[in-house]
Amino acid sequence: LAKTTQPISMDSYEGQEVNITCSHNNIATNDYITWYQQFPSQGPRFIIQGYKTKVTNEVASLFIPADRKSSTLSLPRVSLSDTAVYYCLVGALSGGYQKVTFGTGTKLQVIP
Amino acid sequence: NAGVTQTPKFQVLKTGQSMTLQCAQDMNHEYMSWYRQDPGMGLRLIHYSVGAGITDQGEVPNGYNVSRSTTEDFPLRLLSAAPSQTSVYFCASRSLSGRGTTTDTQYFGPGTRLTVL
Repeated sequence: LAKTTQPISMDSYEGQEVNITCSHNNIATNDYITWYQQFPSQGPRFIIQGYKTKVTNEVASLFIPADRKSSTLSLPRVSLSDTAVYYCLVGALSGGYQKVTFGTGTKLQVIP
Repeated sequence: NAGVTQTPKFQVLKTGQSMTLQCAQDMNHEYMSWYRQDPGMGLRLIHYSVGAGITDQGEVPNGYNVSRSTTEDFPLRLLSAAPSQTSVYFCASRSLSGRGTTTDTQYFGPGTRLTVL
């Protein structure tokens, strides 16, 4: 599986846009990029997933450059409830089964 | 749908005791997995299964056994608990029929907090 690198922590004020970048230099052709969110004492929750260019849903946007060696999760106008750990995962989701491993994630602290 | 359920929520064991953590899902997912999460760390894969009767090891399998006799259930067994197994355990499932699509996601249970004294 492709190794990912994310910042350990980030702080942001309420109402600001937050961008969290993940590096995955050895991403393979079949790999998708998936982001999860985890609140304290809860299991991770799927946020967004993409393969290339830009993906947007009601929660976030995911930007993936043409070389796919990095990706950026964008959270618009964060609130205190967005304080959580965010994980970037890269793995082949097609064909066969998948060993999914999580890195240490990025701890986002939203400040009032 | 209840999604992914785990029991118990909390458990305290003494060193050497055995126990089984239960995990069940009602989404008819083929893939199920167990992770452990230690304080301040990410999730590490223990074991996973792609269907009834098929299991395989993850990143940290030592000290744990699994079996998958039905699609719905995937219990994790600690044969002889050790303090190093103190952790929060998460079970997850996903549909393999969605793999390679943008709906391919894992659904996690609420976790079991295990303390081994």
